[in-house]
Amino acid sequence: GQQVMQIPQYQHVQEGEDFTTYCNSSTTLSNIQWYKQRPGGHPVFLIQLVKSGEVKKQKRLTFQFGEAKKNSSLHITATQTTDVGTYFCAGGGDSNYQLIWGAGTKLIIKP
Amino acid sequence: GAGVSQSPSNKVTEKGKDVELRCDPISGHTALYWYRQRLGQGLEFLIYFQGNSAPDKSGLPSDRFSAERTGESVSTLTIQRTQQEDSAVYLCASSLALRKGEQYFGPGTRLTVT
Repeated sequence: GQQVMQIPQYQHVQEGEDFTTYCNSSTTLSNIQWYKQRPGGHPVFLIQLVKSGEVKKQKRLTFQFGEAKKNSSLHITATQTTDVGTYFCAGGGDSNYQLIWGAGTKLIIKP
Repeated sequence: GAGVSQSPSNKVTEKGKDVELRCDPISGHTALYWYRQRLGQGLEFLIYFQGNSAPDKSGLPSDRFSAERTGESVSTLTIQRTQQEDSAVYLCASSLALRKGEQYFGPGTRLTVT
């Protein structure tokens, strides 16, 4: 079946450093959504990208959707402790409703 | 209005017992999803409801798992004869749109099978 691969599984950064997570699909996606899950919390929607090559920004977060609509990335500039959590991508596949979830990338701020 | 609510927030049960988990979606949301999340893992799709259509049960891991939804309201996920490997957080999400819209998650039910 369709799969979305997300890397890396973990990323340790010093506060103030940048963070990036990548998602790749073997098939074209209709859209891609990004969610953030704080430790002990539940996933919270961040953004949806629909168009080929789309780039959206939310303050220090930059989201990209590839030209072929098979990959996406989330980049955080100058991480802060409030950014800690796991970031999931979820792609729209062949079915009308189901999202295909990546395994998540855990952002850890080094003490 | 209120977000997605789930109950109980925590459930500890003995192996072999049945458990029932409840989800109250956001009013007006036609789509409802159940997911399982094991500790430190990603989201595992279990089942999807859309209005009065037949649910998509393709993600249910075994016939011990079942779910119901009355119209566009409350849903219950039932696990019969629980096993230790069922221990996880069970998350419910609802969505406005049929077509892969933004999902709003509840706080989850943490199930521990001893």
